[in-house]
Amino acid sequence: EDQVTQSPEALRLQEGESSSLNCSYTVSGLRGLFWYRQDPGKGPEFLFTLYSAGEEKEKERLKATLTKKESFLHITAPKPEDSATYLCAVSGSQGNLIFGKGTKLSVKP
Amino acid sequence: DAGITQSPRHKVTETGTPVTLRCHQTENHRYMYWYRQDPGHGLRLIHYSYGVKDTDKGEVSDGYSVSRSKTEDFLLTLESATSSQTSVYFCAISRRQGENEKLFFGSGTQLSVL
Repeated sequence: EDQVTQSPEALRLQEGESSSLNCSYTVSGLRGLFWYRQDPGKGPEFLFTLYSAGEEKEKERLKATLTKKESFLHITAPKPEDSATYLCAVSGSQGNLIFGKGTKLSVKP
Repeated sequence: DAGITQSPRHKVTETGTPVTLRCHQTENHRYMYWYRQDPGHGLRLIHYSYGVKDTDKGEVSDGYSVSRSKTEDFLLTLESATSSQTSVYFCAISRRQGENEKLFFGSGTQLSVL
């Protein structure tokens, strides 16, 4: 069964304190891995798509990486405005998207 | 922001009543989706549409029906609402389906079934 697990569930950082979020997946034939950001009361907003192991994507303070079993979302020198829930999703063998439960990130000034 | 409007934004209803949620897009995207989001679960697909009058079931379709009579509108109906359908419902759109296509989401509808 295709599955996505995100850890930690919640992460509190001080402004400027770099860290990483993890997305582990089990899928028969990964077709794509997606990262989304979700602010309270809003819908998810697309960040990145990764397709193959070794691939990396960057956007401002965020960098996503992919291995054969997991993806990391690295946050470098975060700011309070980076506070949000970050969702990971994989496209599996049937083409459907499977979402993880998310990691809630809080960045304190 | 992608042109997606969900209505209503909030709704409180009673068990056993029918409820219809609306999603309207101005992007002329072919694919439209309804998801629900609950604490302790990832987003789960209810139904999706790949064209006018073309729809299919998702992971959690029991108790829900959909209709798409125009490209821009996708309706989700709870035929007889139950407390287990209390959730936040998100509409999403994409130009095409599949691994290469990102989704654009609406702002959600908070539904409470009492």
